[in-house]
Amino acid sequence: EVQLVESGGGLVQPGGSLRLSCSASGFTFSSYSMHWVRQAPGKGLEYVSGISSDGGGTTYADSVKGRFTISRDNSKSTLYLQMSSLRAEDTAVYYCVNSMVGAPFDYWGQGTLVTVSS
Amino acid sequence: EIVLTQSPGTLSLSPGERATLSCRASQSVSSSSLAWYQQKPGQAPRLLIYGASSRASGIPDRFSGSGSGTDFTLTISRLEPEDFAVYYCHQYGRSPRTFGQGTKVEIK
Repeated sequence: EVQLVESGGGLVQPGGSLRLSCSASGFTFSSYSMHWVRQAPGKGLEYVSGISSDGGGTTYADSVKGRFTISRDNSKSTLYLQMSSLRAEDTAVYYCVNSMVGAPFDYWGQGTLVTVSS
Repeated sequence: EIVLTQSPGTLSLSPGERATLSCRASQSVSSSSLAWYQQKPGQAPRLLIYGASSRASGIPDRFSGSGSGTDFTLTISRLEPEDFAVYYCHQYGRSPRTFGQGTKVEIK
């Protein structure tokens, strides 16, 4: 059974930093691209960032470019999102998602809530 | 990036009725790399349609997708009570991937 389990969310002050993790199991992690998608309370889905299967290629939404860094450790089957210079508008549930190259999102985690507030 | 615009924002229909949801892209979506997701409150999205018209595993045949280029449609032929939810289109053909803003299908 495929499982994607996010962790690391919580309350952080504006300007602060947070690192999210996503632990993957039930599939060959190193063969899949991985992504972060977020959803602000009561709002729609927003693509945040993606990373290729070997970690050599990354993509970011303009809204997070320069502030967020995606990475992965294939030996640990874990995806990360380092978030810095956080703003109130970064408040959202962050989902970890996998996909094959050129394919739609396959499995989603349950999400982890990040709240940016003073 | 490719901007996806969904219409209408909200669709008020009764069970048994037909639902037609639209998704328009700001640029042509390559290789019909367009998917549709359903999301219910408190749940992660579920893949319904990929490649513009292929149903994902386990999706009932009352759900169908069509379109190409910049105009895509999700049709639910006869609404069941469990179909009332929010639907998102998503393009995965060009980086960065993007989503539409969603269409809420609510009970009339």
